[in-house]
Amino acid sequence: EAQVTQNPRYLITVTGKKLTVTCSQNMNHEYMSWYRQDPGLGLRQIYYSMNVEVTDKGDVPEGYKVSRKEKRNFPLILESPSPNQTSLYFCASSRPGSTQGEQYFGPGTRLTVT
Amino acid sequence: GQNIDQPTEMTATEGAIVQINCTYQTSGFNGLFWYQQHAGEAPTFLSYNVLDGLEEKGRFSSFLSRSKGYSYLLLKELQMKDSASYLCAVFRSNDYKLSFGAGTTVTVRA
Repeated sequence: EAQVTQNPRYLITVTGKKLTVTCSQNMNHEYMSWYRQDPGLGLRQIYYSMNVEVTDKGDVPEGYKVSRKEKRNFPLILESPSPNQTSLYFCASSRPGSTQGEQYFGPGTRLTVT
Repeated sequence: GQNIDQPTEMTATEGAIVQINCTYQTSGFNGLFWYQQHAGEAPTFLSYNVLDGLEEKGRFSSFLSRSKGYSYLLLKELQMKDSASYLCAVFRSNDYKLSFGAGTTVTVRA
């Protein structure tokens, strides 16, 4: 089954404790992206990757890191989480070209930072 | 930067038609996308417009006017399962970013 998976689905952590949210897709997509979703603000892009070893900042990259060592995986790293990073996070992937905006989303990771 | 505006909420009756408007201002426009998101779930792709005009897909249609920076999503023969948030998104070719509006919550009443 074609899908995007994320782990963990739920995470409660404390300020300053490094964490990684994994994302993996089995559709051989070049383009992958991370979003956060907050009430009233909608989905905002954190980082995206056009292909292996190519990553770029989205609209809200501060406090986050990513890496793209393999095509299928695109982990999101919070080196020192803070309460304002409490949010619902989605990973997404898509094919290259004109339909790059047609993205397949993972199930989401709900993160709470206390 | 860019602005993407859509109404916050809409309510309609089962069997009726609802039109969700979206206006945008952006550079490097390369497509207008609509997504559906049920509460607690991930967004799922509904439709895509890159040229002016109407795209029809069953009960859902989407329209685009690039000169006006305007799109709408038309939901016909509304069903209770259509109660969800509908997200308008713009893809840019100059930086390959997909930017979303805040979403329109549609409530379908019996």
